[in-house]
Amino acid sequence: ETGVTQSPTHLIKTRGQQVTLRCSSQSGHNTVSWYQQALGQGPQFIFQYYREEENGRGNFPPRFSGLQFPNYSSELNVNALELDDSALYLCASSSWGYYSGNTIYFGEGSWLTVV
Amino acid sequence: DAKTTQPPSMDCAEGRAANLPCNHSTISGNEYVYWYRQIHSQGPQYIIHGLKNNETNEMASLIITEDRKSSTLILPHATLRDTAVYYCIVRVFFTGTASKLTFGTGTRLQVTL
Repeated sequence: ETGVTQSPTHLIKTRGQQVTLRCSSQSGHNTVSWYQQALGQGPQFIFQYYREEENGRGNFPPRFSGLQFPNYSSELNVNALELDDSALYLCASSSWGYYSGNTIYFGEGSWLTVV
Repeated sequence: DAKTTQPPSMDCAEGRAANLPCNHSTISGNEYVYWYRQIHSQGPQYIIHGLKNNETNEMASLIITEDRKSSTLILPHATLRDTAVYYCIVRVFFTGTASKLTFGTGTRLQVTL
């Protein structure tokens, strides 16, 4: 049990629609990252949020966006869904640290299917 | 842009030690090595991490070579529940506070009776 909770666990959307995924970080963790994991592949970094601002981004288009709230929870929003967006979306939380080797915990993920 | 190389699969007999190797020859001085495992596409489970010293916790031991170009995860007494995909990951820093975990394709460990 990591203390990182994600919702919803499964959802189905139609191509072109928009989706919002939610994450509550572990208590005391103020940094949240999102990852996309396609079937059979390792997770790929989407972006990281710290102090309600995005401070790092992977190779994902702008239609992938996020928010972090004062309580450190976070949302991942994907607009104009494409079939290739079908994947497991993972949230990871950690505490802040400068070049810190702090522990990073993942939630169980949200399975998104785009049809 | 994975910075690690792992064998795609390994087998281990239950009760024996499982030694999972990982190469990370391009690792930088401030980059940590993390190990996670994933079972049936659940969320990755944290195992252990380190910078340059060997580390041990209740789950496993991490042995990092002196030149930091490779490491080995050791599960001392593997059980059937340890069957999973094991990821060796380098934590890459964009800045002092922004970082990402660079996952490769992992090693599928099969523990057998």
